[in-house]
Amino acid sequence: AQSVAQPEDQVNVAEGNPLTVKCTYSVSGNPYLFWYVQYPNRGLQFLLKYITGDNLVKGSYGFEAEFNKSQTSFHLKKPSALVSDSALYFCAVRENAGNNRKLIWGLGTSLAVNP
Amino acid sequence: ETGVTQTPRHLVMGMTNKKSLKCEQHLGHNAMYWYKQSAKKPLELMFVYSLEERVENNSVPSRFSPECPNSSHLFLHLHTLQPEDSALYLCASSQDHHRDYEQYFGPGTRLTVT
Repeated sequence: AQSVAQPEDQVNVAEGNPLTVKCTYSVSGNPYLFWYVQYPNRGLQFLLKYITGDNLVKGSYGFEAEFNKSQTSFHLKKPSALVSDSALYFCAVRENAGNNRKLIWGLGTSLAVNP
Repeated sequence: ETGVTQTPRHLVMGMTNKKSLKCEQHLGHNAMYWYKQSAKKPLELMFVYSLEERVENNSVPSRFSPECPNSSHLFLHLHTLQPEDSALYLCASSQDHHRDYEQYFGPGTRLTVT
């Protein structure tokens, strides 16, 4: 069965420091992987996705994520955090083959960037 | 975020009321979705429409009734809801409902059932 885990409920970083938000997944075949961000009182916004090709994916607002097949991970990273990056981050996964098209969502990680 | 709009943004309703949530997408997408977001739970996919046809219905109680009159509009009709239905209801759209397209979300309707 497909699953996705975000092992940290909350991540705290100081402004200007690098940040990492972790995501691991389990699918039967190859994955499609997505990161979304949700600011307070807003809907989710797409950040980036991995479909195929280069393992390092660059997305919006300076975020990037690295697909690691051996570790079944897709961690979100940013070299220098901003206070405005404080939000809820969701990882999602979908199998890229078979009949199951369902997108499986993580529980979210709350990122707090301190000035 | 103006690509997908939702109204109302907030709704308080009694268990005997009937109300509707509205979603409109201005992105020319073919697929639209309803999600339920509750605290400490994964995002729950409720319904998927592709070109106005329902393609997924994930065991949602019949007190939730979707309607998709065209590819730009999606409604969620609510009747005789329960307090546990209180949540943020999110509408989303994507170019297609195939598996590699990202979804674009509206701001949500915060629903409180009293």
